[in-house]
Amino acid sequence: DAEITQSPRHKITETGRQVTLACHQTWNHNNMFWYRQDLGHGLRLIHYSYGVQDTNKGEVSDGYSVSRSNTEDLPLTLESAASSQTSVYFCASSPGGGGRREQYFGPGTRLTVT
Amino acid sequence: AQSVTQLGSHVSVSEGALVLLRCNYSSSVPPYLFWYVQYPNQGLQLLLKYTSAATLVKGINGFEAEFKKSETSFHLTKPSAHMSDAAEYFCAVSGSGNTPLVFGKGTRLSVIA
Repeated sequence: DAEITQSPRHKITETGRQVTLACHQTWNHNNMFWYRQDLGHGLRLIHYSYGVQDTNKGEVSDGYSVSRSNTEDLPLTLESAASSQTSVYFCASSPGGGGRREQYFGPGTRLTVT
Repeated sequence: AQSVTQLGSHVSVSEGALVLLRCNYSSSVPPYLFWYVQYPNQGLQLLLKYTSAATLVKGINGFEAEFKKSETSFHLTKPSAHMSDAAEYFCAVSGSGNTPLVFGKGTRLSVIA
């Protein structure tokens, strides 16, 4: 069955370190998204991509970067981790626009920055 | 630009009672609307979606939602709550083109035995 996976599921890192969170989907979806979820804020969009070599900033993109070298993967990099980036991170993918823009979510990565 | 407001960060109902979770949206174009459910320590799962076809949309697990353009609402209902419905529920909206979904802040549903 097609799916979307995230790794690692849990990560503890130190302030200032570079961290990369992986996201892999096997639906062959063009669109992929990264969100962070924090209590009281719901889901906030970090970055998104509409296809290979395409990336766009979301509402909370500072301190994060993404790259899209193939359809299946959209890794999220924290250039220099900060305590404010402690959160649960979700990756999602969707088929496209029109009536097919529903997003399918991965299980999440819980990141703690100490 | 689109936005979503979910009224009530926490809703508590008795088992067997009606579930009503409220969602109001703002959109300058005909919207696409979604409800998602999140169980503890899991990702979000699509419950149902409105894509300009029937205004009453049926989803999984007995949930349904009605699109009311005049009220800019898309409330989620279920006639009889089960203990297994306890979770966080998110409403989301998307506008024209290929714009990303905008999510509400979520409503936590508790079901009391």
